[in-house]
Amino acid sequence: QKEVEQDPGPLSVPEGAIVSLNCTYSNSAFQYFMWYRQYSRKGPELLMYTYSSGNKEDGRFTAQVDKSSKYISLFIRDSQPSDSATYLCAMNYGGSQGNLIFGKGTKLSVKP
Amino acid sequence: SAVISQKPSRDICQRGTSLTIQCQVDSQVTMMFWYRQQPGQSLTLIATANQGSEATYESGFVIDKFPISRPNLTFSTLTVSNMSPEDSSIYLCSVREGRAEAFFGQGTRLTVV
Repeated sequence: QKEVEQDPGPLSVPEGAIVSLNCTYSNSAFQYFMWYRQYSRKGPELLMYTYSSGNKEDGRFTAQVDKSSKYISLFIRDSQPSDSATYLCAMNYGGSQGNLIFGKGTKLSVKP
Repeated sequence: SAVISQKPSRDICQRGTSLTIQCQVDSQVTMMFWYRQQPGQSLTLIATANQGSEATYESGFVIDKFPISRPNLTFSTLTVSNMSPEDSSIYLCSVREGRAEAFFGQGTRLTVV
């Protein structure tokens, strides 16, 4: 079983839709949970990160962590064509030296 | 947040040759990280580069294949040696800030023919 599982998609939604992106993980020691957005031919950029369980909101983006289920989610409200990208979840044990473990990424396309 | 410049952005290389990728950060950082991103696969850490010491390689990656230099606190290079088509991938350098945040360069898209 891989440490982090993420459905690669592709996922196609109409503009304005609510998008739900998810990852599951196997290691209960993970403490930091991150979402990265990667546009084509660009490096990943950090969208949000959450420590331990709970929700975090930033504009149209909400990150949720359920440690009891080992499940994390990213919700995008009022999705825009500019949100079309690959979304990568990542997690680690904490600390600046902890290796980040990434999911494979979900490719999202928002159609106008 | 750190700004990372990486070059070349892409290259097409003959098998058996080597390519050196450069990574420049706009601030001093203790550790720099090199990742590989293969199609349909997760970002995989190749090695961690500390200034003034040997790089630390992850399982499956060796120094002879991926030698790394880290001459100062703002610069690092990764060399992909004796390339084969299986080395075709995107290579990314990264730095960390705080406990979790990682920042990436734009990547080097390598094709080996």
